[in-house]
Amino acid sequence: AQSVTQLGSHVSVSEGALVLLRCNYSSSVPPYLFWYVQYPNQGLQLLLKYTTGATLVKGINGFEAEFKKSETSFHLTKPSAHMSDAAEYFCAVSDQAGSQGNLIFGKGTKLSVKP
Amino acid sequence: NAGVTQTPKFRILKIGQSMTLQCTQDMNHNYMYWYRQDPGMGLKLIYYSVGAGITDKGEVPNGYNVSRSTTEDFPLRLELAAPSQTSVYFCASSYSTGTGGTDTQYFGPGTRLTVL
Repeated sequence: AQSVTQLGSHVSVSEGALVLLRCNYSSSVPPYLFWYVQYPNQGLQLLLKYTTGATLVKGINGFEAEFKKSETSFHLTKPSAHMSDAAEYFCAVSDQAGSQGNLIFGKGTKLSVKP
Repeated sequence: NAGVTQTPKFRILKIGQSMTLQCTQDMNHNYMYWYRQDPGMGLKLIYYSVGAGITDKGEVPNGYNVSRSTTEDFPLRLELAAPSQTSVYFCASSYSTGTGGTDTQYFGPGTRLTVL
């Protein structure tokens, strides 16, 4: 069975500092990996996804993530945090057992950005 | 496009009451999903549908029912509300060619349900 572990339920950074949100996955098949962001009182929005090919994936709002098979990781980074990045971030792996594309989510990491 | 819309935004139910959470998408997506989000627990899949007339259970289907009579609508029914169903419910949709797992899901804004 596939699973996702997000290390750290809360991360706090200063504006302009590096953002690093950690995600490790478990999968018996090559995974498809996703990062979604949830702003307060809103639904989830796709930041980026890895399917095949280049292991460094660039997403919206300056975020990127690198798929590292040897470490079973898909950490999310952004070089310089902005106040508007404050949100909850979810890592997810796609359930490839069927063709339904069901997502298995981590528990989320809430990012705070201090002025 | 409005995307994925959900109604109501908020609802308080008494134990044993029933209700339907509405979900509509205008993107002509074939796949639709219902998730629940409990604090600190991420999202868990309740039911999903790969097309009109086809539905299937997800990870946590007990206490819920769904139907998919049209491409656009995917209502979620709670028959006998219980406090354990207090949660935020998200509907999502995606367009899939059936190749599995790479599709972007588009989420609605959620319905916050409290059962007392």
